[in-house]
Amino acid sequence: NAGVTQTPKFRILKIGQSMTLQCTQDMNHNYMYWYRQDPGMGLKLIYYSVGAGITDKGEVPNGYNVSRSTTEDFPLRLELAAPSQTSVYFCASSYSMDGDSSYNSPLHFGNGTRLTVT
Amino acid sequence: AQKITQTQPGMFVQEKEAVTLDCTYDTSDPSYGLFWYKQPSSGEMIFLIYQGSYDQQNATEGRYSLNFQKARKSANLVISASQLGDSAMYFCAMREALFMKDRDDKIIFGKGTRLHILP
Repeated sequence: NAGVTQTPKFRILKIGQSMTLQCTQDMNHNYMYWYRQDPGMGLKLIYYSVGAGITDKGEVPNGYNVSRSTTEDFPLRLELAAPSQTSVYFCASSYSMDGDSSYNSPLHFGNGTRLTVT
Repeated sequence: AQKITQTQPGMFVQEKEAVTLDCTYDTSDPSYGLFWYKQPSSGEMIFLIYQGSYDQQNATEGRYSLNFQKARKSANLVISASQLGDSAMYFCAMREALFMKDRDDKIIFGKGTRLHILP
């Protein structure tokens, strides 16, 4: 049981380049999230998904795109990378079901992707 | 409006002492969950403990306990007998059931408290 797996662990991009951060989970969680963490700061929600085919914007979605074609995978796409996107990116997942108390379900995090845009 | 407030940017505590990390929250939803995460210098996010809004007793997990004061909207993390390995960043987070029903599940994190355990 690998949990939440993110690739790559590190990446350096030039300004204007594009890339996809991969995230996959094997816990059959329906909810998945992308957060970014700037140095010395907390986590800001970029996008999240409550199930396959459904995605929604978080607090800081500009410059990013996501898709959720399967329960397991939730890739994050950066188009036209900018220095402001230098950050650590965390993917997370959790289990939730309407009508029960699954608001108590914790997030399970991947180990993060450290991205530098220069 | 900020929903999770951690007022201690940094703390220094002597090894083996108990430490309390503060967290206050704001919500109008009667059903919610509160979580604490630890982020060591290696960067991963480690889930420590949660408290449900309807839980009658404070949550405990080993050396971690959560001092839940619902009327004051506070959910402080208490670490007993601190160890050098407890040095890390600690984040408080909240999840609201109302938003989940509307498929608007935005789990909110505080800005964190950096804990330093001194030998």
